[in-house]
Amino acid sequence: EEQLVESGGGFVRPGESLRLSCAASGFSFDSYNMNWVRQAPGKGLEWVSYINSASNRIYYGDSVKGRFIISRDNAQNSLFLHLSSLRAADTAVYYCARKGSGFGGYLDLWGRGTLVTVSS
Amino acid sequence: DIQMTQSPYSLSASVGDRVTITCRASQDIKKSVAWYRQKAGQAPELLLFGASRLESGVPSRFSGSGSGTDYTLTLGSLQPEDFASYYCQQYYSLPYTFGQGTKVDIK
Repeated sequence: EEQLVESGGGFVRPGESLRLSCAASGFSFDSYNMNWVRQAPGKGLEWVSYINSASNRIYYGDSVKGRFIISRDNAQNSLFLHLSSLRAADTAVYYCARKGSGFGGYLDLWGRGTLVTVSS
Repeated sequence: DIQMTQSPYSLSASVGDRVTITCRASQDIKKSVAWYRQKAGQAPELLLFGASRLESGVPSRFSGSGSGTDYTLTLGSLQPEDFASYYCQQYYSLPYTFGQGTKVDIK
């Protein structure tokens, strides 16, 4: 079964850092481009970051640019998101999501998410 | 960035009803739109991509249409598991952007 499982969320103070992980299984992780998408409590979906299979094309949303870093380890079938200089507005469930194998950036497999809470 | 304006924000319907949700993009996105269903407390799941292509395993009561800037998701006959939130997403250009969501609840 194809699966994505996020971990690493938790409660942090403003200005602190956190590292999220996403473990992939059941498919050839190194063949797929990956994304992080977040959802603030009671709100809609916000795309956060993209990384291609070779890690040589990386993009970020404006709200996290310069503070978050996406990376991956294909040997470990894992995707990461390093969050720094965290703000209350970063409080959200963070999902890792696989880009579909066809043309275009639709997201065909999602993890269950990990909650990040930023509060003083 | 491309803005996706989704409507309605919420709607009430009954099992068996036909429901339509629309998304308008701020520019031509050439059918690069996907639709997702998100049940309460769960992750989103892909329903359609390319405006009208049904994802594998998704029931045929879901359909999509549209071109240019205007796109529609239709649920042909609402089932109990369809009471959820729905989102459109454009992937024509980065940053990917989502509509605000439509919550479908029981009348």
